[in-house]
Amino acid sequence: KQEVTQIPAALSVPEGENLVLNCSFTDSAIYNLQWFRQDPGKGLTSLLLIQSSQREQTSGRLNASLDKSSGRSTLYIAASQPGDSATYLCAVKDGTASKLTFGTGTRLQVTL
Amino acid sequence: GAVVSQHPSRVICKSGTSVKIECRSLDFQATTMFWYRQFPKQSLMLMATSNEGSKATYEQGVEKDKFLINHASLTLSTLTVTSAHPEDSSFYICSARGAIRRGGSYEQYFGPGTRLTVT
Repeated sequence: KQEVTQIPAALSVPEGENLVLNCSFTDSAIYNLQWFRQDPGKGLTSLLLIQSSQREQTSGRLNASLDKSSGRSTLYIAASQPGDSATYLCAVKDGTASKLTFGTGTRLQVTL
Repeated sequence: GAVVSQHPSRVICKSGTSVKIECRSLDFQATTMFWYRQFPKQSLMLMATSNEGSKATYEQGVEKDKFLINHASLTLSTLTVTSAHPEDSSFYICSARGAIRRGGSYEQYFGPGTRLTVT
């Protein structure tokens, strides 16, 4: 059974800092990995999707990497802003089950 | 982009009553819809997967007679929480998978969620 863990569970940084969120998964036979953002009491916004054959994806200040063999992904946020404050979830899609398994999330707060 | 809507966004009901949550795909036809539950400060847990016109597949530990799922069309799925109890209070999120353009890739899109409070 796939298990997805995110570290740290919570993070507070001052505005402008670069930061890295970590995601690890137990079964490396994944189809893809996706990073989401969730604001309090809201649904999910997809940030980046990395196919199993890819090593990284970039969108603006966000860069996500994938090391399938070691079961790890990182989300790098450059020059953080207060508007980046949210919970970040990673999710992996298994190659056979075609369903998403979500991580435990990292609650990020960017302070002024 | 693709939009998935949920209605209602927030509902309060009394213990023992039933409540229905609707999930609609607005820009595309969803061959598969998923229902997730999220407790405070926890991640999303998949409850069930439904394909249009067929019975839903429930995850282990989810009572199919308590959480009734109907996927009657390619744009609408409903989740009915029957005989609700306070422990059913949670944030319910639906997701729809489909292609927003003819010949495009199938992606999974998430609704904004429904906050259910059972008193």
